[in-house]
Amino acid sequence: EAGVAQSPRYKIIEKRQSVAFWCNPISGHATLYWYQQILGQGPKLLIQFQNNGVVDDSQLPKDRFSAERLKGVDSTLKIQPAKLEDSAVYLCASSLERDVLNYGYTFGSGTRLTVV
Amino acid sequence: LAKTTQPISMDSYEGQEVNITCSHNNIATNDYITWYQQFPSQGPRFIIQGYKTKVTNEVASLFIPADRKSSTLSLPRVSLSDTAVYYCLVGDGGWNAGNMLTFGGGTRLMVKP
Repeated sequence: EAGVAQSPRYKIIEKRQSVAFWCNPISGHATLYWYQQILGQGPKLLIQFQNNGVVDDSQLPKDRFSAERLKGVDSTLKIQPAKLEDSAVYLCASSLERDVLNYGYTFGSGTRLTVV
Repeated sequence: LAKTTQPISMDSYEGQEVNITCSHNNIATNDYITWYQQFPSQGPRFIIQGYKTKVTNEVASLFIPADRKSSTLSLPRVSLSDTAVYYCLVGDGGWNAGNMLTFGGGTRLMVKP
């Protein structure tokens, strides 16, 4: 079974520039999550999708962050404009409700963003 | 959301059994306890999940006392490759859409030769 795919793997941008991250979840997984992980900290949830609808985006800084999952499969997370404090690893995860108790979420390897 | 407390770091040696304890005093009746493992430059990986008593799989065991206010992840005979950060999470496990898992700071386990 293919895992959660994320791209790019690394990205370096200057502050005030824009950046987008892409995630392709495991086939059939209806639930998709974006997490932000700052160096030395645990992952922090930004947004959760169920199919193509947003379930919770209460921790998403909406003045600069946006995310979409138009067809209920792939998702993109965008930052515009980026700030220095946005430097982090952005992780995408997906899950299948009936399997989550036994298998949890499946995470991708993340995109490491450096804002200079 | 129930908050968890776990040691910041632990050291062990190859071949030893490692027990990482997590406190979750405010755990709710319908909450499960889940542990994830994270290696550098990778996303977290699900290890084990339980509700009460003991759960065992091919990787680890999870011990949960009757009051469920704490839990212990047990890794038998660790090897160098078990060096990682281990996260304890409490929630409904994502069973219901709209509920998600909140990660704390984790425990950094260092396994020495």
